[in-house]
Amino acid sequence: DGGITQSPKYLFRKEGQNVTLSCEQNLNHDAMYWYRQDPGQGLRLIYYSQIVNDFQKGDIAEGYSVSREKKESFPLTVTSAQKNPTAFYLCASRDREVNSPLHFGNGTRLTVT
Amino acid sequence: GIQVEQSPPDLILQEGANSTLRCNFSDSVNNLQWFHQNPWGQLINLFYIPSGTKQNGRLSATTVATERYSLLYISSSQTTDSGVYFCAVADPNFGNEKLTFGTGTRLTIIP
Repeated sequence: DGGITQSPKYLFRKEGQNVTLSCEQNLNHDAMYWYRQDPGQGLRLIYYSQIVNDFQKGDIAEGYSVSREKKESFPLTVTSAQKNPTAFYLCASRDREVNSPLHFGNGTRLTVT
Repeated sequence: GIQVEQSPPDLILQEGANSTLRCNFSDSVNNLQWFHQNPWGQLINLFYIPSGTKQNGRLSATTVATERYSLLYISSSQTTDSGVYFCAVADPNFGNEKLTFGTGTRLTIIP
């Protein structure tokens, strides 16, 4: 079955450590996205990538980094510079056609103490 | 950037009731989508609807692009409809790629 896999589901880290969240898709989608969701809030865009080896900052990119070396993979690194990293992180992908829907992974819940 | 507002923020209904959720946006768009987030956090795409009306079972959606709003209708609500409903629009200043989400409507269906 095609889909988006995010791992791990839950992640715990100590403050000051970098952590990388995995996102893999087998939908052959060109565009991939990372969103952050805080409790009771909507989704805020961190980074997005329209094609391999290219990505753009979203609305809250500070303290995060990404790479897009393969079409299937779009890992997100939460660096120690991110002041409030505890959140629910959602990866998504879509085809680049105008009317294509956005598909989401099941998310990674990151807790930093 | 584009602003997206959803109303009401919370809605509690008895099973079997109908509901209307609203999404207002601040600029013309060519991409608007509705999503349902279940209590476990999973987001499911309901509709791609930049204009016009679509129906899928008990759910339907209408977007009036010229007046910059979209409505999601849920008829004969079931407890499995509970969750948060989001609309998302593509910011026209960033092509079709940058999707901005509203803050959502939390729907609770009581048996």
